[in-house]
Amino acid sequence: KQEVTQIPAALSVPEGENLVLNCSFTDSAIYNLQWFRQDPGKGLTSLLLIQSSQREQTSGRLNASLDKSSGRSTLYIAASQPGDSATYLCAAHNNAGNMLTFGGGTRLMVKP
Amino acid sequence: DTAVSQTPKYLVTQMGNDKSIKCEQNLGHDTMYWYKQDSKKFLKIMFSYNNKELIINETVPNRFSPKSPDKAHLNLHINSLELGDSAVYFCASSPWDGLLAKNIQYFGAGTRLSVL
Repeated sequence: KQEVTQIPAALSVPEGENLVLNCSFTDSAIYNLQWFRQDPGKGLTSLLLIQSSQREQTSGRLNASLDKSSGRSTLYIAASQPGDSATYLCAAHNNAGNMLTFGGGTRLMVKP
Repeated sequence: DTAVSQTPKYLVTQMGNDKSIKCEQNLGHDTMYWYKQDSKKFLKIMFSYNNKELIINETVPNRFSPKSPDKAHLNLHINSLELGDSAVYFCASSPWDGLLAKNIQYFGAGTRLSVL
């Protein structure tokens, strides 16, 4: 059964710093891996999706990488801003393609 | 226009009651999901429906009964509510390409259920 772990659980950084969020998964037979953002009291917004055949995806200041063999993904946020403060969730999509397994999230606080 | 909408946003009720949460998506997707996010913020899938048919049921008590009147709607009915049912419930949808639920899942804003 797939298990997804995110480290750290919480992170506080000053504005402008580059930072890395980590995600690991136990079953490398994934269809894709997704990163989501969740703001307090709100739903999830998809940030990036990496197909199992890809190594990375970029969107603006965000870059997500995937290493299936080691069961790891990272989300890199460049030049962090206070508006980036939120909880970031990674989720592995199983090979049947119809089930997302979520990590526990990293709660990010970017201080002005 | 909201792509995936859930009602109500908040639900406060007594133990033992029966309640329903509704979900509608206007994206034309074939697959819809219910997830539960507990107090520790862990998000876990409960059910998945493809074109009104149940395809995933993840060890959820049978007090929870999803109903899909059409592929744009997936409602969640909960009987005999218990304290442990208190959580945020998220609905989501995604396209289906015939073999797989394809790519990105789009989430609703959640329904915060509090059982007293």
